[in-house]
Amino acid sequence: DAMVIQNPRYQVTQFGKPVTLSCSQTLNHNVMYWYQQKSSQAPKLLFHYYDKDFNNEADTPDNFQSRRPNTSFCFLDIRSPGLGDAAMYLCATSRADRVGETQYFGPGTRLLVL
Amino acid sequence: EDQVTQSPEALRLQEGESSSLNCSYTVSGLRGLFWYRQDPGKGPEFLFTLYSAGEEKEKERLKATLTKKESFLHITAPKPEDSATYLCAVRNNQGGKLIFGQGTELSVKP
Repeated sequence: DAMVIQNPRYQVTQFGKPVTLSCSQTLNHNVMYWYQQKSSQAPKLLFHYYDKDFNNEADTPDNFQSRRPNTSFCFLDIRSPGLGDAAMYLCATSRADRVGETQYFGPGTRLLVL
Repeated sequence: EDQVTQSPEALRLQEGESSSLNCSYTVSGLRGLFWYRQDPGKGPEFLFTLYSAGEEKEKERLKATLTKKESFLHITAPKPEDSATYLCAVRNNQGGKLIFGQGTELSVKP
C-alpha cells in the first residue's frame, strides 16, 4: 500500500544534541510538509517543500531545518533541541500544492528531550 | 484572520448514541474543508474533504456536511472503536497551508 513512513517512531535526545527525523513516501507526491504537534494541540506547520522549493513558515525557529534530497525522502533537523521542542513531529504529503489537495499524514515521531 | 473552532472540546457517548461534532470556520476563500481522525500517539488519518456548501460525504458510521459557515461530522450508532480525536481543517485560497481546529476528543463507552 502507498504510504507515508516516519522513522524513528520514538526518539530520545539530550538537551542541545542535534537530532534528525526521517520521512519517506511511496505516494509519489510532490509536496512534503513537516508539522509539530504538542499535547492536546492542533498540528502546527513548520515548513514544506513544493518539489525542491523550500517554504518556511514565518514563525518557525531557525533551530529547525529541513532537507529533501529526492522526491521520496524528507528530513527534519533540529540543531540544538530544547526542552520546549519535545513534541510529536508529523510528516505529510500531497499531490500538488494546488488549492484543495488533500494532505496525507505519516504516523509521527515522538521526540523526547532530556 | 482565518480561524477554525471545533465544539465540543470533548464528547462522551454511550455505544449506539448518535451525535454530531461541529466545526465553525472563517476563511478567505474556502478551498477545501478536511476532517481527520487522530488516535493517541498516531498521525491524523484522512476521513473526508468537502469543497462547497451543501456537499455531503459518508463513510461507515460517519457523515460530513458543509455549509458556508460550518461543517458537521455526524456519528450514527457509534462504537467504542470510534473513540479518537477528530480534527477539522480548512484551506484558503492563498496556498497549501491547512488551518486546524483544536479537535474534539470523542469517547464512546460500551
